[in-house]
Amino acid sequence: DQQVKQNSPSLSVQEGRISILNCDYTNSMFDYFLWYKKYPAEGPTFLISISSIKDKNEDGRFTVFLNKSAKHLSLHIVPSQPGDSAVYFCAASSPHGAGNMLTFGGGTRLMVKP
Amino acid sequence: ETGVTQTPRHLVMGMTNKKSLKCEQHLGHNAMYWYKQSAKKPLELMFVYSLEERVENNSVPSRFSPECPNSSHLFLHLHTLQPEDSALYLCASSRGLAGEQYFGPGTRLTVT
Repeated sequence: DQQVKQNSPSLSVQEGRISILNCDYTNSMFDYFLWYKKYPAEGPTFLISISSIKDKNEDGRFTVFLNKSAKHLSLHIVPSQPGDSAVYFCAASSPHGAGNMLTFGGGTRLMVKP
Repeated sequence: ETGVTQTPRHLVMGMTNKKSLKCEQHLGHNAMYWYKQSAKKPLELMFVYSLEERVENNSVPSRFSPECPNSSHLFLHLHTLQPEDSALYLCASSRGLAGEQYFGPGTRLTVT
């Protein structure tokens, strides 16, 4: 049973437009959410995070929105650039005796067309 | 070297072989992790070490044996693996167990 789901395996966007990647979770104990980006042959790279006490966090072209009632978060990239083409993973963690245990979604492959 | 490094990057081994994966972090972190990524599956947490003590063993078969000799190094010893263990094995580290995790490039393992 996947607690973090990314229902779109792929997304194609034109350069300059907005990319919206979505993520849903089922565990109401999750209180910290992260997005990672992964290029082929490389490990995931941390992109942006959000605590459950916030509903929005922005860093340059990247904004993460959190809707706790819907158990949904999204990553907005605007404007999208060809270099953003990668697989994006959302991850969530909950208070745990041993700390930050991340649960990952299955990933969404973003393709930004020039 | 900076960040998190993993060696080897690719490994092919038979089911009776014994091999080890190595991870080294140069970030001054004190928590380290092993993840497994199989095709078309989410990243699965395998082991967590904090201050060189194992704090999580996520129901991983005993044919995978982790070792953390110090806060900068993490090993995954492999013995009598199965073909279904073929996957990308990722190491990560963080500053404390609540910090963002930084990943290495992974070891692509193929068990024949």
